[in-house]
Amino acid sequence: DTAVSQTPKYLVTQMGNDKSIKCEQNLGHDTMYWYKQDSKKFLKIMFSYNNKELIINETVPNRFSPKSPDKAHLNLHINSLELGDSAVYFCASRDAGTRGTGELFFGEGSRLTVL
Amino acid sequence: AQSVTQLDSHVSVSEGTPVLLRCNYSSSYSPSLFWYVQHPNKGLQLLLKYTSAATLVKGINGFEAEFKKSETSFHLTKPSAHMSDAAEYFCVVSGAGSYQLTFGKGTKLSVIP
Repeated sequence: DTAVSQTPKYLVTQMGNDKSIKCEQNLGHDTMYWYKQDSKKFLKIMFSYNNKELIINETVPNRFSPKSPDKAHLNLHINSLELGDSAVYFCASRDAGTRGTGELFFGEGSRLTVL
Repeated sequence: AQSVTQLDSHVSVSEGTPVLLRCNYSSSYSPSLFWYVQHPNKGLQLLLKYTSAATLVKGINGFEAEFKKSETSFHLTKPSAHMSDAAEYFCVVSGAGSYQLTFGKGTKLSVIP
């Protein structure tokens, strides 16, 4: 059983299009995250939700909109895609009840290529 | 506030020789510290974590790390490198009770046959 699953794994699209990436976790965690990994492998946090409430919202263009319909799902919608949005997007989950000691569990990543 | 500095962006070792990947951290609160490994085109996998118990932490695949508060360091070591260890390694810090985890910029480990 995959603990954190993301779809799609690969996404190739044209500039200006709108796309979504979905994430689901079956670990019973209450906190989920989106990270962006650029070509230099640097991981930047974008958003985090705890029990469907947005708790981290880093400096990200408002073309990016997360949605958490329930605590097991966190989706990422991107409007008007730009070349600079090309990256690997990772979803992760964590048990926040561990008071900062819990580790992140990552999905396999979604590689977005904007042409 | 918290931060992580991985002191080497690239480390190259010969197969069978020791591995040392260096990490310094800064945290206002009692930190939890983690090391993750990312193989090419894969997600991130936890190697080990420190959460204020034993300062010497053993992880998977023969890796271990030592928490040194006086030096604010959490270096990752392995006695003998294997070809399969070639990957990107990330040091991560989380403050007590914090939702935020801060990643270092990563260290690429190359293993020479």
